[in-house]
Amino acid sequence: DAKTTQPPSMDCAEGRAANLPCNHSTISGNEYVYWYRQIHSQGPQYIIHGLKNNETNEMASLIITEDRKSSTLILPHATLRDTAVYYCIVRGLTGNQFYFGTGTSLTVIP
Amino acid sequence: DAEITQSPRHKITETGRQVTLACHQTWNHNNMFWYRQDLGHGLRLIHYSYGVHDTNKGEVSDGYSVSRSNTEDLPLTLESAASSQTSVYFCASSESGTSGYATDTQYFGPGTRLTVL
Repeated sequence: DAKTTQPPSMDCAEGRAANLPCNHSTISGNEYVYWYRQIHSQGPQYIIHGLKNNETNEMASLIITEDRKSSTLILPHATLRDTAVYYCIVRGLTGNQFYFGTGTSLTVIP
Repeated sequence: DAEITQSPRHKITETGRQVTLACHQTWNHNNMFWYRQDLGHGLRLIHYSYGVHDTNKGEVSDGYSVSRSNTEDLPLTLESAASSQTSVYFCASSESGTSGYATDTQYFGPGTRLTVL
């Protein structure tokens, strides 16, 4: 599975959009981009995933560049409860695990 | 509602003792996974199972074992606990894709914090 690179930490003002970047320059054609988050002391929570097209659900939007070498997770109106570590993961259809790395620690500031 | 639970949530044990951590899911998922999480390492896969009686080693399987006797449960056993196994342990489950591989989203339990003294 391709390796991902994320900034170690970010801040975002409450009510503003949080844009979390992820680089995955070695991604291959059949690998998906997944995003999870982990709120302190809890199990990781699935957010969204995509292959090529941008995706949106009730939690977030995922923007994948045309060359698929990077992506951005967008939380449209960040709240204090969105403070967490966010993991960007790339895996293929036959992958048997998620490689979580160390993620981005997002702090939403009142 | 379907869910995945882990027990105990906190456990303190002594070096050399056998410890079993329980994981139970009610989604009827075929695939189940055990991870450990340590500072600076993210989550690392210990063992996983694609169905009843199937078990596979993950990235950090030494000192751990699992068995799958039914769909709902995948207990993780530390045969002889060591201080290096002090960690937070997460269980996860997912549906099988049509190919039988774990292609789908994994859902995680709340974790078990294990301390080995």
